[in-house]
Amino acid sequence: EDKVVQSPLSLVVHEGDTVTLNCSYEVTNFRSLLWYKQEKKAPTFLFMLTSSGIEKKSGRLSSILDKKELFSILNITATQTGDSAVYLCAVDRSSNTGKLIFGQGTTLQVKP
Amino acid sequence: NAGVTQTPKFRVLKTGQSMTLLCAQDMNHEYMYWYRQDPGMGLRLIHYSVGEGTTAKGEVPDGYNVSRLKKQNFLLGLESAAPSQTSVYFCASSPHSGNTIYFGEGSWLTVV
Repeated sequence: EDKVVQSPLSLVVHEGDTVTLNCSYEVTNFRSLLWYKQEKKAPTFLFMLTSSGIEKKSGRLSSILDKKELFSILNITATQTGDSAVYLCAVDRSSNTGKLIFGQGTTLQVKP
Repeated sequence: NAGVTQTPKFRVLKTGQSMTLLCAQDMNHEYMYWYRQDPGMGLRLIHYSVGEGTTAKGEVPDGYNVSRLKKQNFLLGLESAAPSQTSVYFCASSPHSGNTIYFGEGSWLTVV
């Protein structure tokens, strides 16, 4: 059965800390892995990763994929209270449906 | 920019009542999805559509029906609501497979 597992499920840090969120997967016909940030409402897209070892970066956020070990990490450096959110990992498989398999999410709380 | 719009945003139903959630997208996307989000469960796919006039079951379809009569609209129906259907429902759309998906703001449904 295809599955995506995120860890930790929740995390509390202080402003300025660096955090690493993990996402492991077991799926058939892997195509890509996506990260989303969800604040109070709709998840918003962060990154799409398709190739191993190539880091994607956006400001203080970065992510990398390891297709051999079947996992991805999302790093956030110099955290701010505005980074508090649920971070979702999802995997897309090679199909003509575009269906994503989501992990449970990691809830990050950044304290001042 | 409207993007993906869901109505209603909030609804309280009594057990056994029926209702329809409407999703509309103005991006001319082919693919549309309905997910539900429950604590600790991540996002789970209910039904999806890969084009006007087509629908298919996702991971948790029981108790729901859908229709895609027009390309821009995807309706989710609950024929006889149950307390287990208390959840947050997200509609999403995508231009094609292999692309990120774009979420609506969510619909909070409580069944008492």
